[in-house]
Amino acid sequence: KAGVTQTPRYLIKTRGQQVTLSCSPISGHRSVSWYQQTPGQGLQFLFEYFSETQRNKGNFPGRFSGRQFSNSRSEMNVSTLELGDSALYLCASSDSGLEETQYFGPGTRLLVL
Amino acid sequence: GENVEQHPSTLSVQEGDSAVIKCTYSDSASNYFPWYKQELGKRPQLIIDIRSNVGEKKDQRIAVTLNKTAKHFSLHITETQPEDSAVYFCAAKFYFGSGTKLNVKP
Repeated sequence: KAGVTQTPRYLIKTRGQQVTLSCSPISGHRSVSWYQQTPGQGLQFLFEYFSETQRNKGNFPGRFSGRQFSNSRSEMNVSTLELGDSALYLCASSDSGLEETQYFGPGTRLLVL
Repeated sequence: GENVEQHPSTLSVQEGDSAVIKCTYSDSASNYFPWYKQELGKRPQLIIDIRSNVGEKKDQRIAVTLNKTAKHFSLHITETQPEDSAVYFCAAKFYFGSGTKLNVKP
């Protein structure tokens, strides 16, 4: 099976803009979760989608949102970008459960200027 | 939500020595504890995991132990090799520890 893919791989935006990141899970996986990775904060959980519904949510402001489509592909949107949003955004997919192995994508590196 | 703490943040060992990384968690309802290895510029990848119905699991040079009563679990790497150098993360549910940068000196 093909692994988790993310597009784009790199992105440069300016403050105040918005951005949409995409994640395609492993075929058959229904759960997609998103993480923000920064050198100082490690891997921070944003949210998890399962069957087109947000099932779990981390502690990020409402500027961070997401959605999942019927084919399990997921998008994450960040509005009104801030300098502190510069990070590597990773998505991960798993079969269906809350406590299962997650398979990570390569990430999208976002730089906000 | 869950809170996962990981120690140490950095660990330097000589090739052939053992390395131990420890994590604690807060949610007693958590039942699955994976460990991920992330090499520089790469994605995190699962190296071993353990479920709450067992106390220890081993895979060649890597082992994980779990103490549910104390709510902590540990990663043990024996006979370390330079290729073990990476950042290691523990996790519970969707929450990750802050990572341990392991450096294995040849």
